[in-house]
Amino acid sequence: KAGVTQTPRYLIKTRGQQVTLSCSPISGHRSVSWYQQTPGQGLQFLFEYFSETQRNKGNFPGRFSGRQFSNSRSEMNVSTLELGDSALYLCASSSTTGANEKLFFGSGTQLSVL
Amino acid sequence: EDKVVQSPLSLVVHEGDTVTLNCSYEVTNFRSLLWYKQEKKAPTFLFMLTSSGIEKKSGRLSSILDKKELSSILNITATQTGDSAIYLCAVWGSWGKLQFGAGTQVVVTP
Repeated sequence: KAGVTQTPRYLIKTRGQQVTLSCSPISGHRSVSWYQQTPGQGLQFLFEYFSETQRNKGNFPGRFSGRQFSNSRSEMNVSTLELGDSALYLCASSSTTGANEKLFFGSGTQLSVL
Repeated sequence: EDKVVQSPLSLVVHEGDTVTLNCSYEVTNFRSLLWYKQEKKAPTFLFMLTSSGIEKKSGRLSSILDKKELSSILNITATQTGDSAIYLCAVWGSWGKLQFGAGTQVVVTP
C-alpha cells in the first residue's frame, strides 16, 4: 500500500507570490490534515478535510487555504507569501475523522520564501 | 487553549544509555496521547496511549501515561545511533485537533 505522497518535495518562492502544495493520502483514507513545522515550534495545525469538507481549522491567517477532492486528494494554497511562511509543510491522512485516530504523514514539502 | 509541552528540548547521549523523554499536556477533554519519531521529514507513529491503555512497549521503546499528572514519558533503553531523531508528543482533545509539542531532539553518539 503506498503511503502519503506530497508534491513537490522542495519549493523556492519569493515574497508576494502564491504557492500550491499537493497531498495524496493512503488509499482508502478520507481524512487529510495539514501541518506547518518550523524549527523549535513543533507541528502547527493548519486544517483538516474529510469528505471534501473542512472539519477543523487552526490559527492561521486567511492566506492559507485548502481543499479536498472527491478522490480524497488535497491541496493547500498560500497566497501573498511572506518570509515567515518558510517551513516544512506536512500532510497526514487517516481512515476517518475525529479523535483517537493515528495519522500517517508524508515526507512534506520544504518551502523557502526569499 | 490546548497545550503540549515536551522536555528536554534536546539531549545528547552515548550508545547504550537509557533516555527518558517527558510530555505534559493541558487539553480540554483528553482523548489520547501519541508519540511519533521524526528522523528526516515524515514523522512515523510509535505509540498511542488512552485511558484504557496507559502503558505500551515495543522492543527497546516503552511509554507510560499518567492521567493524574497529565503527562507521559517515553523511554528508550540501550540506545543506538539509529535512535537519533526528533521525538514528538501529540494529544487529541475534544476539539478534534491533534495538538503537538515542540519535540525533543535526541542525538546518540557512538
